[in-house]
This record gives sequence, C-alpha cells and structure tokens, in this order.
Amino acid sequence: QVQLVESGGGVVQPGGSLRLSCAASGFTFSSYGMHWVRQAPGKGLEWVAFIRYDGSNEYYADSVKGRFTISRDNSKNTLYLQMNSLRAEDTAVYYCARIDYWGQGTLVTVSS
Amino acid sequence: QSALTQPPSASGSPGQSVTISCTGTNSDVGGYNYVSWYHQHPGKAPKLIIYEVSKRPSGVPDRFSGSKSGNTASLTVSGLQADDEADYYCSSYADTNNWVFGGGTKLTVL
Repeated sequence: QVQLVESGGGVVQPGGSLRLSCAASGFTFSSYGMHWVRQAPGKGLEWVAFIRYDGSNEYYADSVKGRFTISRDNSKNTLYLQMNSLRAEDTAVYYCARIDYWGQGTLVTVSS
Repeated sequence: QSALTQPPSASGSPGQSVTISCTGTNSDVGGYNYVSWYHQHPGKAPKLIIYEVSKRPSGVPDRFSGSKSGNTASLTVSGLQADDEADYYCSSYADTNNWVFGGGTKLTVL
C-alpha cells in the first residue's frame, strides 16, 4: 500500500534552516510528481511546492519562493524540502503528498 | 495565487444532502478540469474524495459527487452520515504550474 512518511520537523529560530524528508513506499516513486503542502495551526491547507517525477522542474508558492527548495532522490524513494530563512509564519504541519495520497505530516515550529 | 473561495461552514441532518461550493477564476477552476476535493477529520491528514472535477477514487462511496460550472466547482454529499462531519477543502491546478486550495468548509452533521 502507498505510504508517505515525513520526518525532520522541529523547533527552529527565526532565520534558521530545516530540511524535511518524505520516505515513499508502495508505489513507483520515480513515476509521480510530488507536492509539499502545509497547514498552519487551526488554518487551512496551503500548497508549498511541486517537483516533476524526474526532478526536471520545480514550482513554488510565492510565499516560499527563494527560501525553500524541493528536491528528490528517486534512487532512495525520498522527497525533500530544504527550508531557509524561516519565519514565524512558516509554522505549520508540512505534508508530503502525491495529491491522491498524503503523509501524516511533520510539525515545524519557528519561534525564538 | 489567491485561495479559492469556499463557505466557512455548512450543515445538514443525517440522510440529507449538502452541497459545498468552491469559486475560483478562469486561471484555475474555470480553466482546467483538475479540481479535487478532500475531507479532513481532526488531527488527521486530508483524504482525497474527488479528483478531476467528478471522479471518485476507489473506495470512496458514491454519496460523494463533484461537478463544475464556469469558475465554480461543487461537492455534494448525499445521505449524510455522522462520520461525514469534517473539514472539506477544494483544490485546483492553476496557471503557470501552481496549485491552489480553498479556505475550507466545516461540515456539521446536525
């Protein structure tokens, strides 16, 4: 069965960096484009970034462009999100998603 | 990248039907047949219930149906059950390889 398991969340100070990972299993990871979507506490869903199946193109929400980088390693069935220059408003649960399947999310808290 | 517009709340009694709207623009909902709907129970990840406007993933009951007219997509939940109480989100592909979500609708089963 399809499984997506995020890791790497935690507490970081404003201006700091964090790298999230998403381990995929149960499907041919290299055949699917993948998303990161986030949800601030008590708020709705916000699309963050998308990467094509082969890593050839990446797309970002304006709110994270220039600060976040999505990448993937198809040999390891793993999706990544490098987050730099973090702000308080980046505090959220970050989900890795194939759009039809989602992980359980990892919480990122940006606070001093 | 403006969010799609959903009503903040909706409600219905068990057995009734309820429809949730999702309004966008020609650059997202109106321009593409890539509207999806999700429901999310508290503390859980979103679950896909409708994709490509009106298609249901395997395992999703036919009580859930989707449609689109112009820049507005709709989700109808028929035969409401207690477990349908959740937050519902629409999403759409948008111009220049972006995706956008609605603000969410809290569905209450009375």
